[in-house]
Amino acid sequence: QKEVEQNSGPLSVPEGAIASLNCTYSDRGSQSFFWYRQYSGKSPELIMSIYSNGDKEDGRFTAQLNKASQYVSLLIRDSQPSDSATYLCAVRGGNEKLTFGTGTRLTIIP
Amino acid sequence: EPEVTQTPSHQVTQMGQEVILRCVPISNHLYFYWYRQILGQKVEFLVSFYNNEISEKSEIFDDQFSVERPDGSNFTLKIRSTKLEDSAMYFCASRRTRDRYYGYTFGSGTRLTVV
Repeated sequence: QKEVEQNSGPLSVPEGAIASLNCTYSDRGSQSFFWYRQYSGKSPELIMSIYSNGDKEDGRFTAQLNKASQYVSLLIRDSQPSDSATYLCAVRGGNEKLTFGTGTRLTIIP
Repeated sequence: EPEVTQTPSHQVTQMGQEVILRCVPISNHLYFYWYRQILGQKVEFLVSFYNNEISEKSEIFDDQFSVERPDGSNFTLKIRSTKLEDSAMYFCASRRTRDRYYGYTFGSGTRLTVV
């Protein structure tokens, strides 16, 4: 069974600080990795994708991938109250489907 | 920004009834998916669809489920005889390219409640 693991949280971070979200995956054949944000009762919204080892930055968001350790992370700089949501890590192997983790609930404290 | 549109937003049905969930993917997208999320649980893959046929399906997608693209715009998920455990949010998603590094765009979802 191919698994994606996330700390369910909740993770509380003061406004303006850096939020760090982590994800591990079991399938070494995984090829691409995604971070989705999901507000309560809403659909997942893609915020970052990464497929090469290292860092990828987009605005306040940085995704980090370490395939040797089977580890993906998301850093959110200058956290805002609007960043409060559940963050889903999703992994795709050689096929079509995404395998999601259970998500980490993030709360930004004003 | 183009959107994936799903209707209805909420459907209540009696156990044993058939339901059809509808999706309009983004117009130039070629790959279509259904996922579901039971309340408080993870998002789960159901099925992928390309070139008018199923390309992959999960163990959840049994004979009670079917998908169809009846015309050039709609993509539907049918559940023939609903069970209580089918209650979930159902998300349609689409993708333009086969590039495996390209993410999906999800629709706003249909909340299905089976009573």
